[in-house]
Amino acid sequence: RKEVEQDPGPFNVPEGATVAFNCTYSNSASQSFFWYRQDCRKEPKLLMSVYSSGNEDGRFTAQLNRASQYISLLIRDSKLSDSATYLCVVTAEGASGGSYIPTFGRGTSLIVHP
Amino acid sequence: DGGITQSPKYLFRKEGQNVTLSCEQNLNHDAMYWYRQDPGQGLRLIYYSQIVNDFQKGDIAEGYSVSREKKESFPLTVTSAQKNPTAFYLCASSIEIPRRTQYFGPGTRLTVL
Repeated sequence: RKEVEQDPGPFNVPEGATVAFNCTYSNSASQSFFWYRQDCRKEPKLLMSVYSSGNEDGRFTAQLNRASQYISLLIRDSKLSDSATYLCVVTAEGASGGSYIPTFGRGTSLIVHP
Repeated sequence: DGGITQSPKYLFRKEGQNVTLSCEQNLNHDAMYWYRQDPGQGLRLIYYSQIVNDFQKGDIAEGYSVSREKKESFPLTVTSAQKNPTAFYLCASSIEIPRRTQYFGPGTRLTVL
């Protein structure tokens, strides 16, 4: 399995700002894409799946660019509660075939300040 | 309520002892996974299982063992052969097809003294 890469940050932004993260992946056969949010010392929680057509959930927008092999997450009108680490996940076929294994990026840290 | 449970939340063991971490899910998911996370690092896959009585090694399986005797349960044993076992251990499950969206348990923090 190939790597998934993210800028670790931290991204330090004021409340109300718009911030965007990118995540690149190297396996062109990757099938599924996700963004997870992880708070300090907690488990990752699914933020949103990423579809080819792009998708939006409130202040969050995710995009997939298969040609350039990256996914992005845009957060508008940042809130203090958005402070967390954002993990990019890409699923591709495992070496043994027939199984699709998620690979996690190391995460991008976001700090939203007053 | 449906979900994934891991126990215990914190675990302390002496060096050289084997320890088993519990993971149970009642989501009726086929696939289950074990990850390890070290401070400032991403999640690294230890083992995964797509079906009962079958499991596959992940990227860092050395020093670990698992079993999958029931669909709901996927315990992880950290053996004395694991050179640096202190870490945050996360269990996840997913429907096998089509998108394999994973849901995580709350994790177990293992400290080896």
